[in-house]
Amino acid sequence: DSGVTQTPKHLITATGQRVTLRCSPRSGDLSVYWYQQSLDQGLQFLIQYYNGEERAKGNILERFSAQQFPDLHSELNLSSLELGDSALYFCASSVISGDGYNEQFFGPGTRLTVL
Amino acid sequence: AQKVTQAQTEISVVEKEDVTLDCVYETRDTTYYLFWYKQPPSGELVFLIRRNSFDEQNEISGRYSWNFQKSTSSFNFTITASQVVDSAVYFCALSEAGLGNEKLTFGTGTRLTIIP
Repeated sequence: DSGVTQTPKHLITATGQRVTLRCSPRSGDLSVYWYQQSLDQGLQFLIQYYNGEERAKGNILERFSAQQFPDLHSELNLSSLELGDSALYFCASSVISGDGYNEQFFGPGTRLTVL
Repeated sequence: AQKVTQAQTEISVVEKEDVTLDCVYETRDTTYYLFWYKQPPSGELVFLIRRNSFDEQNEISGRYSWNFQKSTSSFNFTITASQVVDSAVYFCALSEAGLGNEKLTFGTGTRLTIIP
């Protein structure tokens, strides 16, 4: 158990709908990363937040948005869902390790199915 | 731009055989980190190892070993005396160092099946 929690574990919805995925980082971790694992794109970085501010952006669609709240939990909002958005969405939080590297700890993921 | 290539899409070996998973990376950074993750059928990502670009020493952890060669930009992973529990998808990944943005660039993964 990494200490990172993600809810819900599974989500089934229809095309055109909007969903919110939630991530609670490990206690004290300020940084949250979101990754998407799909059959088409593989595992790819979407976006990173650090202490409430957006720090880096990857291949995140305009239909997707994220935010990090004052209590450091993060939400990933996916709207106008398409079949191709079906994927496993991972959240990771990070802490600076002994050698100065920001070690990422992954949550169990949320499996999104768009029908 | 960073890139990680895992040319082996699927590998099947009989239990107790040794198996090597290949990983080739591209980066312009002089300081970077390389990783291996395991994804069992249950779906979670299990961290296996992190190496930085200045440490080319090979590492062994039980039945697992890693060979890092900067000259060929490779970071290969060997499982010795494979077991059925090793069946999973294995991902190699690359990250820049520092600045608080260590996003991971993953390869496409190698699905390893150990046949009893």
